[in-house]
Amino acid sequence: GQNIDQPTEMTATEGAIVQINCTYQTSGFNGLFWYQQHAGEAPTFLSYNVLDGLEEKGRFSSFLSRSKGYSYLLLKELQMKDSASYLCAVNMGGGNKLTFGTGTQLKVEL
Amino acid sequence: DSGVTQTPKHLITATGQRVTLRCSPRSGDLSVYWYQQSLDQGLQFLIQYYNGEERAKGNILERFSAQQFPDLHSELNLSSLELGDSALYFCASSVLGLAHTTDTQYFGPGTRLTVL
Repeated sequence: GQNIDQPTEMTATEGAIVQINCTYQTSGFNGLFWYQQHAGEAPTFLSYNVLDGLEEKGRFSSFLSRSKGYSYLLLKELQMKDSASYLCAVNMGGGNKLTFGTGTQLKVEL
Repeated sequence: DSGVTQTPKHLITATGQRVTLRCSPRSGDLSVYWYQQSLDQGLQFLIQYYNGEERAKGNILERFSAQQFPDLHSELNLSSLELGDSALYFCASSVLGLAHTTDTQYFGPGTRLTVL
């Protein structure tokens, strides 16, 4: 199978930092994406990793370790509007189809 | 706004009926993807079209079919609808979407289908 595991829910405080982890099976790996999705809305692209290491984009960073089948999304200076579901998605090759995790529902509190 | 458009936004129909969902990709994108998202499951890949041809298939039911037209818009046809087909259906597009490449997929706003 192509299991992608991420925590179901997380809670963090406004202004803090939160790390959302994602693990996946490594066979056929061809890239990993993070998307943000507010309830009932479209997923929006946050980041892409295909090589090991950290990709930084403003308040958002994403890390990948291909040998460990592991990624994380780091959100800094949390804002209330960051409350959303964060989806980890992996391209396992065979075209460009993505396999999504079930998402991590992040709640940002005051 | 991703540049991907989908119509209709909402659709309410009865069991046994047939519906068509429409998607227009971002300008210049050749690949279109369809995903289903129901409450108890994450985003499930259904099917991909590249420049008019089927490129990849996921767990798409035989009651469902899709096509991509010469102007690159795509339609997803759902027939003999069941209660369990109620879900959000998303279309995404990417520049290429060929084997051994990885393009970013940009998602449309979705069509919420309710089967009563």
